[in-house]
Amino acid sequence: EAQVTQNPRYLITVTGKKLTVTCSQNMNHEYMSWYRQDPGLGLRQIYYSMNVEVTDKGDVPEGYKVSRKEKRNFPLILESPSPNQTSLYFCASRDGQGGSEAFFGQGTRLTVV
Amino acid sequence: KQEVTQIPAALSVPEGENLVLNCSFTDSAIYNLQWFRQDPGKGLTSLLLIQSSQREQTSGRLNASLDKSSGRSTLYIAASQPGDSATYLCAVTVGAGNMLTFGGGTRLMVKP
Repeated sequence: EAQVTQNPRYLITVTGKKLTVTCSQNMNHEYMSWYRQDPGLGLRQIYYSMNVEVTDKGDVPEGYKVSRKEKRNFPLILESPSPNQTSLYFCASRDGQGGSEAFFGQGTRLTVV
Repeated sequence: KQEVTQIPAALSVPEGENLVLNCSFTDSAIYNLQWFRQDPGKGLTSLLLIQSSQREQTSGRLNASLDKSSGRSTLYIAASQPGDSATYLCAVTVGAGNMLTFGGGTRLMVKP
């Protein structure tokens, strides 16, 4: 079954404690990206990757890092989380064609206290 | 910069009604437009994908149209059911990295 899998689904952490949210897809997609969803602000792109070792900033990259060492994985790293990073996070993937369908993971609800 | 707007922001209808959700975008240079459904606190489920060269797509009771030149799309839901209650999001694919730009969503409630 075609899937984008995020872990964990829920996470409560403290300010400043480094964390990683993992994302894996089994569709051999070139493109992967991270979004955050906040009430009143909608879904905004954090980072995206067009292939292995190719990443770039989206609209709201501050406070986040990503890496793309393997095609299937695209982890989101928060080196020093702050309360304003409390949000619902989504990973997405699609193949390299411009008109292809985007598939989303089930989301990670992060709370930073 | 591409902006996507969805109207109305919220909609409440009795079961059985046909309804239309609207999506507009400011830049017609899109690759495609995708409609998603999101249940509270859950992920996004893709409903329909319309390529920039297409006018409409249908899946069951759902029909989505695209008028790229005017920057509009509509999602038509026929014979609405309580199980259709969710937030519906439209998103257009633009630019480098095939970035998706989302509208703010329409929160739909279908009352039995």
